[in-house]
Amino acid sequence: DAKTTQPPSMDCAEGRAANLPCNHSTISGNEYVYWYRQIHSQGPQYIIHGLKNNETNEMASLIITEDRKSSTLILPHATLRDTAVYYCIVRVLQGAQKLVFGQGTRLTINP
Amino acid sequence: EAGVAQSPRYKIIEKRQSVAFWCNPISGHATLYWYQQILGQGPKLLIQFQNNGVVDDSQLPKDRFSAERLKGVDSTLKIQPAKLEDSAVYLCASSQGGRALFGPGTRLTVL
Repeated sequence: DAKTTQPPSMDCAEGRAANLPCNHSTISGNEYVYWYRQIHSQGPQYIIHGLKNNETNEMASLIITEDRKSSTLILPHATLRDTAVYYCIVRVLQGAQKLVFGQGTRLTINP
Repeated sequence: EAGVAQSPRYKIIEKRQSVAFWCNPISGHATLYWYQQILGQGPKLLIQFQNNGVVDDSQLPKDRFSAERLKGVDSTLKIQPAKLEDSAVYLCASSQGGRALFGPGTRLTVL
C-alpha cells in the first residue's frame, strides 16, 4: 500500500545531476516526503525529507511542487557510489504511521 | 551515535527448522520495525512496534512468524517452521520521529 509512484530504473552519467521523480498525488496535508536509498547488500539509508519547502543537505536536494503532488530528488554531481535503489515514501513526521516501501527507482551511474 | 545492531548476519537452515533474529535499536528510539526483503524487491514491513506495543503486524505470517520487543528495547523475530520462500534479508530499523535508521540485516537461506 505504498502511496508513491516512481520509474523502475534510470541512468545518469557520472558528474552530471541525477533527477529522480516521485508522484504522490494522494499525499495528506500533514505527510512529509522522505527519500531513502539502498546500496547493494546494505540496509536502506536515509537521505532527506521535506513538507512543502525545498530542502538541501550534504547528500541531496529535494524539490516539492507547490501542490505537493510530486517531488524530485536531485543528486547534484552523481558519482559511481550513488548507484543504488532510491525509495520515495510519504508519512507523518511523528506517531505510529507505517513506514512502507514501494519498488523504488534503480539508479545506475555510468562512467 | 551507535547504529542499529542485528545478529546473526548470516544464517543457513533447512526447511522446517526454526530460526531467531535479534535486533538492538538505537537507544531512545520508540519505534522498531522488522522488514523482509526478498531479492529484487523492496523491503516489506512485517511488524512495527511503538515502545513494546504492536502498531501493525498485518503482513506478518502469524502461523509461523512471531516477534516480541521486551521492555520496549531489544526485539527478536522468530520463524518456526521455516519454508523455502522465507529465504530473504531480514532488516531491523528504529526511529524517533520520521527518520528511520536501519541495521545491516540478516541474510537467511532456507535449504
